Amino acid sequence: GAVVSQHPSRVICKSGTSVKIECRSLDFQATTMFWYRQFPKKSLMLMATSNEGSKATYEQGVEKDKFLINHASLTLSTLTVTSAHPEDSSFYICSARAGLYSGELFFGEGSRLTVL
Amino acid sequence: GENVEQHPSTLSVQEGDSAVIKCTYSDSASNYFPWYKQELGKGPQLIIDIRSNVGEKKDQRIAVTLNKTAKHFSLHITETQPEDSAVYFCAASRSSGTYKYIFGTGTRLKVLA
Repeated sequence: GAVVSQHPSRVICKSGTSVKIECRSLDFQATTMFWYRQFPKKSLMLMATSNEGSKATYEQGVEKDKFLINHASLTLSTLTVTSAHPEDSSFYICSARAGLYSGELFFGEGSRLTVL
Repeated sequence: GENVEQHPSTLSVQEGDSAVIKCTYSDSASNYFPWYKQELGKGPQLIIDIRSNVGEKKDQRIAVTLNKTAKHFSLHITETQPEDSAVYFCAASRSSGTYKYIFGTGTRLKVLA
């Protein structure tokens, strides 16, 4: 299957700082990428849909100024958690569809953010 | 709104037995149904999928069935092994590049040796 790389896998930061997480499609172009948040023992919560060359579409209840998403190229989307607080600590996962009309969705390995 | 219900939430089986996980979706326009396996601390991995024009699909020990009329689809794992232990998620989507996936709540499968 297609490969989606996510970096960093783990990050610890101080409260008030910003953290950037990268999501790359390694062997295919992804016009659309998705960002999820996952709490322990819970399902995947869609945060936003990232579209190459345009603004991300955020789900209801997700603060767009808090979670900045940039999809600058067909292989890279970034999520920046701004002014992070302990409640932002979570497992963040990106995914990408391999093809505009293809259903298959491939996930990155996830990034565990811990805000002290 | 659109949702996907998944049952059971936890499932324990003896090694070698079969495991079945069931999902029900609400969006009648959904036409793509993947299943993901998530191991601890990792991202979900696609293990099998099925499209609406097919009623059943099999890949070695894993099979998926789809009943479009009832809006049900199920994952069947035969001859389970300890390495099958993980959390499994079903999802429903439309085959559009921008259309989001609706995920089930997950099933924690434990295969007892």
